[in-house]
Amino acid sequence: GAVVSQHPSWVICKSGTSVKIECRSLDFQATTMFWYRQFPKQSLMLMATSNEGSKATYEQGVEKDKFLINHASLTLSTLTVTSAHPEDSSFYICSARDRGTSGNTIYFGEGSWLTVV
Amino acid sequence: DAKTTQPPSMDCAEGRAANLPCNHSTISGNEYVYWYRQIHSQGPQYIIHGLKNNETNEMASLIITEDRKSSTLILPHATLRDTAVYYCIVRATHYNQGGKLIFGQGTELSVKP
Repeated sequence: GAVVSQHPSWVICKSGTSVKIECRSLDFQATTMFWYRQFPKQSLMLMATSNEGSKATYEQGVEKDKFLINHASLTLSTLTVTSAHPEDSSFYICSARDRGTSGNTIYFGEGSWLTVV
Repeated sequence: DAKTTQPPSMDCAEGRAANLPCNHSTISGNEYVYWYRQIHSQGPQYIIHGLKNNETNEMASLIITEDRKSSTLILPHATLRDTAVYYCIVRATHYNQGGKLIFGQGTELSVKP
């Protein structure tokens, strides 16, 4: 299957600082990427849909000024958690849609663990 | 996107076939059935998808009933490494119909020696 890479795999940051997570589609172009977060023992929760060259679409209840998404190229989307607080500590996962496959298959990155101290 | 119903957990003996059911009685004609799995602390892994015909790849087989209201994912020879949470998701794939993957609780499959 297609490869989606996230960086960093894990990050620890101080409360009040911002942290950026990158999501790259390595072997296909992705006009659409998706960002999820997952708390322990829970399922994935969709945060936003990232569209190349346009503003992201956020799910209800997700603060767009808190979670900044930029999709500046066909292979890269970034999620910036601004003014992070301990409650933002979570597993953040991105995915990318490969329109070159039947059914526009979506592939996921390895995830990024964020710990805010 | 249509909602799916899966059993919360299942056990399977190593080397035996694992059959994971999924109900999606409100599926629309343009919605595909997708299966993903998530091994602990990793991103979900794509397994297989189908529209109406049965599908098979190197990982699994997908059996979709004729009325498309339910499906079964089959892992033919389960190994310990297949222990994971398996998600069945129905999804429209046309760009103007969103195409988002909305995850339910999935089935936690435990493969035992």
